[in-house]
Amino acid sequence: GEEVAQTPKHLVRGEGQKAKLYCAPIKGHSYVFWYQQVLKNEFKFLISFQNENVFDETGMPKERFSAKCLPNSPCSLEIQATKLEDSAVYFCASSQGTSGVSSYNEQFFGPGTRLTVL
Amino acid sequence: GIQVEQSPPDLILQEGANSTLRCNFSDSVNNLQWFHQNPWGQLINLFYIPSGTKQNGRLSATTVATERYSLLYISSSQTTDSGVYFCAVKNQGGKLIFGQGTELSVKP
Repeated sequence: GEEVAQTPKHLVRGEGQKAKLYCAPIKGHSYVFWYQQVLKNEFKFLISFQNENVFDETGMPKERFSAKCLPNSPCSLEIQATKLEDSAVYFCASSQGTSGVSSYNEQFFGPGTRLTVL
Repeated sequence: GIQVEQSPPDLILQEGANSTLRCNFSDSVNNLQWFHQNPWGQLINLFYIPSGTKQNGRLSATTVATERYSLLYISSSQTTDSGVYFCAVKNQGGKLIFGQGTELSVKP
């Protein structure tokens, strides 16, 4: 598609439950990024993919977070055993490229999924 | 890692006024983007501007890469310009590093 799509828009989970978020990148974009916006103005990078391969996972809390991008399927971010501090808006972004100085590196963001953990 | 600082943190304007938002970064970058996060939370791409100057309607941006700063100019502000403006940079790898944002409120 022409825009990054994310589902669901809102997700409410009890502490300890699983949460799964989905992202469909812009058609033709090879790179997918996940960011977490906690509080109002703080963005944290989680993980990125080049097609179905993990590109950078330095931001992922390894214990409970996992992510995948499989061919012909939306990418997913899964949180096992959610905690209160996981409450945030999770944004997915995509780009055509990521190296050098090129407009191919411009990242476009989806509308986000607001996760509330009670 | 690279640090990104935005100023001012908050700004209140009367409709029709002009403003300049600043983004300083601590290392050389190969990607710099400005975003507007509207009151509904949507992140809207304003500019991809690792260097040089660009204009889009009432908005323009300038990045002086050698001096490690970027400026976003908003002219003749409108109430719909309200929201948070973020600067985000990338130097190596793919991830964007965001500043803390400038929260803009335009009063009618």
